[in-house]
Amino acid sequence: NAGVTQTPKFQVLKTGQSMTLQCAQDMNHNSMYWYRQDPGMGLRLIYYSASEGTTDKGEVPNGYNVSRLNKREFSLRLESAAPSQTSVYFCASSYARGTYQETQYFGPGTRLLVL
Amino acid sequence: AQKVTQAQTEISVVEKEDVTLDCVYETRDTTYYLFWYKQPPSGELVFLIRRNSFDEQNEISGRYSWNFQKSTSSFNFTITASQVVDSAVYFCALSVSTDSWGKLQFGAGTQVVVTP
Repeated sequence: NAGVTQTPKFQVLKTGQSMTLQCAQDMNHNSMYWYRQDPGMGLRLIYYSASEGTTDKGEVPNGYNVSRLNKREFSLRLESAAPSQTSVYFCASSYARGTYQETQYFGPGTRLLVL
Repeated sequence: AQKVTQAQTEISVVEKEDVTLDCVYETRDTTYYLFWYKQPPSGELVFLIRRNSFDEQNEISGRYSWNFQKSTSSFNFTITASQVVDSAVYFCALSVSTDSWGKLQFGAGTQVVVTP
């Protein structure tokens, strides 16, 4: 099992460019998440998806869109990148249903630099 | 709203010393889950432990141990006889059952530096 995979590992964008970060999991988890990590701030939730076909905003959704393509895949899109979006992006997945939650497992991260 | 506080920004120790990382959480939910993750210099996030609010037993796994105290809303992590490979950023995180899709609230992290 690969667990959670992310592509690309590293990306440099110019302000105003767009890109999509890809995430896939092979653990049959229903829930998937996108976080960003900035120095001194821990990880903050951007968007999450409780199941295929559903998505919802997290703590810092502005400037991002997501698509839950199927149970395995959850993508994050930056329509018009800004320097403030320079960060490390992590995708995660878990089994979460009702009040029951299991551990979230994380992908290796995508380091994004916006110039 | 939920909150996780890791007051220690960085801890430096010499190899073989013990190190304790503090984690204080805030929630009004009675059912919740606490986690610790390790982020080594390579950058990935490694799951260490998950604890639910009904299980206050302390846990030991090799050189790692965790002390969960609901009375003080704390979930502290101790590394015994530290090694250079323990150098990493450690994150404490919280999710609550009423927020039923498992969203994690992270602390800011504590950088542990172990020198030989």
